[in-house]
Amino acid sequence: EVQLVETGGGLVQPGRSLKLSCVASGFTFNNYWMSWTRQAPGKGLEWVASITNSGGSTYYPDSVKGRFTISRDNAQNTLYLQMNSLRSEDTATYYCTRDAPDWSEMAYWGQGTLVTVSS
Amino acid sequence: DTVMTQSPASMSTSVGERVTVNCKASQSVGTVVAWFQQKPGQSPKRLIYLATNRHTGVPDRFTGSGFGRDFTLTISNVEAEDLAVYYCLQYDSIPLTFGSGTKLEIK
Repeated sequence: EVQLVETGGGLVQPGRSLKLSCVASGFTFNNYWMSWTRQAPGKGLEWVASITNSGGSTYYPDSVKGRFTISRDNAQNTLYLQMNSLRSEDTATYYCTRDAPDWSEMAYWGQGTLVTVSS
Repeated sequence: DTVMTQSPASMSTSVGERVTVNCKASQSVGTVVAWFQQKPGQSPKRLIYLATNRHTGVPDRFTGSGFGRDFTLTISNVEAEDLAVYYCLQYDSIPLTFGSGTKLEIK
């Protein structure tokens, strides 16, 4: 059974940084792309970042490019999201997703971790 | 960027009825569309991938169709447990983009 467990959320001041983690189990982690998607309170879904199975390539929308960095440790079956220069509009629940072997498709989702950016 | 225009924003139906949710892409995405269900208080779950393929374990009451720019999710014989928000996603090109969601209420 695919399991994704996100941690690291919390309350952070605007302009500060936060790093999220997602521990994966139930599948061969280094065979799959992985992604982060977020959902602001009461709002819809927004794709945040994707990474290839090797970690060699990463992809972002303009809204987070240059501020967020996705990375992975295949030895530890762990996905990360480093978030810098946080803004109030980054307040959301962040979901880790397992994708396909060769593209981002959000096949499986974790339970999410809430990030609140506020002074 | 490919904009996914989803309709309706909300709908109300009775158990046993059939409902359809629509997504229209601003440019052709082939069949690279997925549908997700998000029940209250839960994370999203994938229902359909590549426009027409059911995710493992998804009941055959859920059917996806479409190609190019127009896509539809049909739920037949609606059950009370189908109360949720449904989202479409195009993953044909970066940035991946979601529809705005359709809230399904059960009368």
